[in-house]
Amino acid sequence: RKEVEQDPGPFNVPEGATVAFNCTYSNSASQSFFWYRQDCRKEPKLLMSVYSSGNEDGRFTAQLNRASQYISLLIRDSKLSDSATYLCVLSRAKAGTALIFGKGTTLSVSS
Amino acid sequence: DTEVTQTPKHLVMGMTNKKSLKCEQHMGHRAMYWYKQKAKKPPELMFVYSYEKLSINESVPSRFSPECPNSSLLNLHLHALQPEDSALYLCASSQGTSGFSYEQYFGPGTRLTVT
Repeated sequence: RKEVEQDPGPFNVPEGATVAFNCTYSNSASQSFFWYRQDCRKEPKLLMSVYSSGNEDGRFTAQLNRASQYISLLIRDSKLSDSATYLCVLSRAKAGTALIFGKGTTLSVSS
Repeated sequence: DTEVTQTPKHLVMGMTNKKSLKCEQHMGHRAMYWYKQKAKKPPELMFVYSYEKLSINESVPSRFSPECPNSSLLNLHLHALQPEDSALYLCASSQGTSGFSYEQYFGPGTRLTVT
């Protein structure tokens, strides 16, 4: 079983739609969780950290369920500029700073 | 300012060449990383430096040699690479290391082509 699993998509949605991405992880000792976005041929950019209590940043809401080893990202009122690949990322428990990336979920928002 | 810079942006090298990739950050971060990313794949960790000491080497071939001259700089020396080493090489930094992960910030990457 892969350490981080994501639905690769692509998700094709119209502007204004709400879209949710899910991610599961296999190592229950994983400690920190993040969502990054990556545009084509660009570097990953941190979108938000994910906390057990859930957190929101504008149109973006992230949730973590440690019991189910599940992370989600909700995007409301999708914009054309949201089109990108969204990477679910977690820390490897053994080494606090090493990040493990999911394969990413591709989102395409159309007008 | 969460800026990590990398040079060069693009590099084409032959299999017998020696070249170096450079990375710099001025955020006072004490951990720096090299990742390799192939097309349509997620980044894969290569090396981690923590407080200027190599703390993780993900079984990377010796033709890749990292160096951390000081807390702001990270180099990756390349020698006798293979065409399959062609990829985007990403540098990242984070505030520090502890029992949990700090957020990592990535540079724009060096797109390497080995001919």
